[in-house]
Amino acid sequence: DTGVSQDPRHKITKRGQNVTFRCDPISEHNRLYWYRQTLGQGPEFLTYFQNEAQLEKSRLLSDRFSAERPKGSFSTLEIQRTEQGDSAMYLCASMFAWTGVTGELFFGEGSRLTVL
Amino acid sequence: RKEVEQDPGPFNVPEGATVAFNCTYSNSASQSFFWYRQDCRKEPKLLMSVYSSGNEDGRFTAQLNRASQYISLLIRDSKLSDSATYLCVVNKESNYQLIWGAGTKLIIKP
Repeated sequence: DTGVSQDPRHKITKRGQNVTFRCDPISEHNRLYWYRQTLGQGPEFLTYFQNEAQLEKSRLLSDRFSAERPKGSFSTLEIQRTEQGDSAMYLCASMFAWTGVTGELFFGEGSRLTVL
Repeated sequence: RKEVEQDPGPFNVPEGATVAFNCTYSNSASQSFFWYRQDCRKEPKLLMSVYSSGNEDGRFTAQLNRASQYISLLIRDSKLSDSATYLCVVNKESNYQLIWGAGTKLIIKP
């Protein structure tokens, strides 16, 4: 399967614990996004990478959230000291993009986080 | 005002009907516009890009009105399989961030 893959698909954790999600984008894609989605809402932007550079991070993202894409390939999203409000679906998406052009985003199936 | 606003749903329509969704955006500098479809508990998938001249793909027609800053999606001869949430997506100027509407849920009834 050459699509975007995310791991784990489901994570249940206790409040205060740290969690990490991994995303493997489509191999030739240079841009990678992380989104959060809750029921009845569209995806909410968290951050994105152009190759290994993190170019933008949402102001909504607290210091408890960090993302990396160390070699411009896979990415990780870590949430420290989880809170119940962090419960959501975390979506990763990738695209091949070039200057001034925004193309099709390909999403993974998401990592569903439940914080008890 | 939200950056991207969509018709609140859900839309309940009979099979075979024509249904139209509207989406307004606030940033006049936006250049790229899309409609994505999201099935229940699935990831969003691109339905179609929206071009300035309007574009059609089978039963689906997308239009852009830059002056009024809105995008529309028309579905003709709706099928049961069209039931999904339709998400309007607009890029935020030139920094490649995409802004998503909350989506409009469509339910096609037999």
